[in-house]
Amino acid sequence: EDKVVQSPLSLVVHEGDTVTLNCSYEVTNFRSLLWYKQEKKAPTFLFMLTSSGIEKKSGRLSSILDKKELFSILNITATQTGDSAVYLCAIPTDSWGKLQFGAGTQVVVTP
Amino acid sequence: IAGITQAPTSQILAAGRRMTLRCTQDMRHNAMYWYRQDLGLGLRLIHYSNTAGTTGKGEVPDGYSVSRANTDDFPLTLASAVPSETSVYFCASSDFRLAGGFSDTQYFGPGTRLTVL
Repeated sequence: EDKVVQSPLSLVVHEGDTVTLNCSYEVTNFRSLLWYKQEKKAPTFLFMLTSSGIEKKSGRLSSILDKKELFSILNITATQTGDSAVYLCAIPTDSWGKLQFGAGTQVVVTP
Repeated sequence: IAGITQAPTSQILAAGRRMTLRCTQDMRHNAMYWYRQDLGLGLRLIHYSNTAGTTGKGEVPDGYSVSRANTDDFPLTLASAVPSETSVYFCASSDFRLAGGFSDTQYFGPGTRLTVL
C-alpha cells in the first residue's frame, strides 16, 4: 500500500531558527515527490523532486530527495513568522496523476 | 480569471439538500481533482478527471458525483448532504497527460467551506 508519512507532526520555533521537515514514503513506482505550503487557505506548490541528491532551492527554502532511503527533507533557514504554515508532502500513486498526501507538519514561528 | 476559482466560498446546508460546488480553471489543464480536507485526516481525493468527458473515483467518492463536460469546469455535486460531509473542499488541476510529457504538480483553488447541519 502506498504511504506518505511526515514528521514531526508539529513544531514551534523562534524567528531565525532553522527547521528540518521529513517526508518518508512507500510507493510501487516512484515518479516524483512534491512539497506544498498551506497557510489558512489553499496549498501552494513549493517543489517537485524527481532525482536523488539534487537540491532544489527557493530563497530560504530547500529540499532534497533520497530515493534509496525513501525520504525527502524540506529545510527552512532563518525562519520568519510568515513561514508559519502546514507543510504537505505528496507523491503520485498511479499513472493517472493522483496524489497521496501526508498528514502535514504544522510549523509555528514565534517572534 | 487567473488560475482556479471555486464557488461558493462557504455554505451552510441543511442535511438532505442537494448542493453543487463549482470549479473553473483557465490554465487549459487536462486533469482536474476534488479533495476534501478534514482535521487530522489531511487531503483526501474524492474524484478526478484526466480529460474532458472522463472521470474516476478517488479515495472517498461515496455521496459525491462529478462531471467534466469541457476542459475548464469540474463541478462536484452532493446528492443528499449529510453532516459527515462537513469539510473544506479543494479543487485542483494539473497539466497531466497520459501520453507523457506531463507534470505531477497540482495547483489548488481557494477552497469551499461547507457545513452540513
